[in-house]
Amino acid sequence: DAKTTQPPSMDCAEGRAANLPCNHSTISGNEYVYWYRQIHSQGPQYIIHGLKNNETNEMASLIITEDRKSSTLILPHATLRDTAVYYCIVRGWSQGGSEKLVFGKGTKLTVNP
Amino acid sequence: ETGVTQTPRHLVMGMTNKKSLKCEQHLGHNAMYWYKQSAKKPLELMFVYSLEERVENNSVPSRFSPECPNSSHLFLHLHTLQPEDSALYLCASSQDVVNVLTFGAGSRLTVL
Repeated sequence: DAKTTQPPSMDCAEGRAANLPCNHSTISGNEYVYWYRQIHSQGPQYIIHGLKNNETNEMASLIITEDRKSSTLILPHATLRDTAVYYCIVRGWSQGGSEKLVFGKGTKLTVNP
Repeated sequence: ETGVTQTPRHLVMGMTNKKSLKCEQHLGHNAMYWYKQSAKKPLELMFVYSLEERVENNSVPSRFSPECPNSSHLFLHLHTLQPEDSALYLCASSQDVVNVLTFGAGSRLTVL
């Protein structure tokens, strides 16, 4: 089961910042938070990940609360091409020892002109 | 183009057919994955291969048979599928099993 909770949908105006929240209250100390997105009819695309510090790359910023129970993905200037389903994932480990990325239902972000 | 190529992009097959999905990665990664995405359901991890050895089989029915002949190629052999197996099948790769996944565009399978 997914260990994260996200709103099912959000809207954002083109050019404005999109702030996507995620709750992961049961996260353990060594688990990372990952964000992927899936544009319609394509495979998921990695965006960013973090452990406890805030992170920024060319695509987005990730803000993780001090208690690590929630995080926010920020797209600073949303464009129409950012319309996608955004997945917040807490990385876990399978019994076989391999990483297990468990995808939930994500947030459907619609960027409006 | 992500560096992970899946063929065919679309496949229609009958329940008695045998077909295969192919995945090829050009990223030099050593781990490869099969995921299944059914309509209105989250992505489900099916298989994980690390260094050409299967390290994860997520309770997948035997009518799905993976094959990893080398670190660049991954196949999913399909036989006697059911209509409920219709889905988008996604391949991904990573450098080791602890790192970021790069996904292909998927193979859309329809079972009649």
